[in-house]
Amino acid sequence: GAVVSQHPSWVICKSGTSVKIECRSLDFQATTMFWYRQFPKQSLMLMATSNEGSKATYEQGVEKDKFLINHASLTLSTLTVTSAHPEDSSFYICSAWDRADTEAFFGQGTRLTVV
Amino acid sequence: DAKTTQPPSMDCAEGRAANLPCNHSTISGNEYVYWYRQIHSQGPQYIIHGLKNNETNEMASLIITEDRKSSTLILPHATLRDTAVYYCIVPLYNNNDMRFGAGTRLTVKP
Repeated sequence: GAVVSQHPSWVICKSGTSVKIECRSLDFQATTMFWYRQFPKQSLMLMATSNEGSKATYEQGVEKDKFLINHASLTLSTLTVTSAHPEDSSFYICSAWDRADTEAFFGQGTRLTVV
Repeated sequence: DAKTTQPPSMDCAEGRAANLPCNHSTISGNEYVYWYRQIHSQGPQYIIHGLKNNETNEMASLIITEDRKSSTLILPHATLRDTAVYYCIVPLYNNNDMRFGAGTRLTVKP
C-alpha cells in the first residue's frame, strides 16, 4: 500500500531556533497533504492543508508565519516551525490521500521537543 | 465534516469481539465513514471505510445502519495489540480533510 514517510522521527531543538519536518509520499503523487499537531492525551488537530504549487490553507488560530509550509513537489511537503518555543513541543503528523482518493495515509509522526 | 460521537473508552477481553460504536447523525448522502486507529506515539493507521453497505477486510468489519446515522466497527477477535484509540471520521465530500474527534480508547485485557 501507499506509504507516507516523515523525517525526522524526533528532534530536540533550542528555544528560538527553527526546525524543518519533511513529509514524503513514497509511491504516489499527492497534490494535497495535511499537517496535524497532537498534544499529550489529546486528539489530532488539523493545522493546515498543503497544496502543491500554491499557498497552504491554515486552520483558524494557526499562525502561518510561525508554521511555514512548502509543498514544492507532488511528493514532498515541509513544515518549518520558526523561532520555536517550549509550547511548540508536540507530536506533528502529516497525511496524504492516495491517487484514487480512497484512503488517507499518515506519516509516523515527528516528536518535537523545544528546550 | 459531519460531527461524530464516540464513547471515550471501552474494554474488551482478549479473543472476544470488540464492537466500537459511532454516531454521525448529520452525515450527507455521499459522505463516507472512515475508521482509523492510533497506537501510542504513532501515526494513525487506516482500518476500513464505507458508504452504506457493510464492509469487511482483514482487519475489521464495518456495519452502517440503513439510515447511515451510526456505524459500528467490529474487531472479531481482539488481541492485546489492538489496544489503541479508535477514531470514526466522516470527511466532507470533495474536501478530504480528516478532522479527528476524541475517539474511543479501547483497552484489550488478557
